[in-house]
Amino acid sequence: QTVVTQEPSFSVSPGGTVTLTCGLSSGSVSSTYYPSWYQQTPGQTPRMLIYNTNTRSSGVPDRFSGSIVGNRAALTITGAQADDECDYYCVLDLGGGTVLFGGGTKLTVL
Amino acid sequence: QVQLVESGGGLVKPGGSLRLSCTASGFTFSDYYMSWIRQAPGKGLEWFGFISDRGDIAYYADSVRGRFTISRDNAKNSLYLHMSSLRAEDTAVYYCARWRVRASDHWGQGTLVTVSS
Repeated sequence: QTVVTQEPSFSVSPGGTVTLTCGLSSGSVSSTYYPSWYQQTPGQTPRMLIYNTNTRSSGVPDRFSGSIVGNRAALTITGAQADDECDYYCVLDLGGGTVLFGGGTKLTVL
Repeated sequence: QVQLVESGGGLVKPGGSLRLSCTASGFTFSDYYMSWIRQAPGKGLEWFGFISDRGDIAYYADSVRGRFTISRDNAKNSLYLHMSSLRAEDTAVYYCARWRVRASDHWGQGTLVTVSS
């Protein structure tokens, strides 16, 4: 069974830069899996940040960027702010009707 | 603006059935695939299905295949999720989301389904 892996937690200092990653239990992540990233504050609806590896959703600040780093998808946040503290999920579309969420990364800004 | 509103959640007994609806506005509903995603209390997000723009193709995750059915009525701008043989582990907030460029770009506010005796 294929699993999408994310760091369970990460911390960053205010104003700092952090890179969250998204991998596959078997194999490498590439743009052919159309990585997307979502932000969810507790009790709120998820919000799409990045789709198709590196395209920012409308209204998303350019502090958020997506890429492929090595064999993983990556979400980089530069100039971290207090309200960036929440959960981040990646999604991979493996094709053939298989879409998988990662387990999420809880980001702490302190 | 794009709006998605889910309805139909509630308390259901194990083994029971429930139908959720998602009403769309602010975009041409019939042009888009639509997806369903759920989140169990205190847990992460789980994609479990989507349906083509014309409603002729639907895909499901293994966790729900054979128990859940996704359908749509483009004339009513509505998406549906029929759930049967419900289990305690199906307890979650259920979200509908528009599917575009292999991603869920707009989400509804979610509706809570609780499976308990």
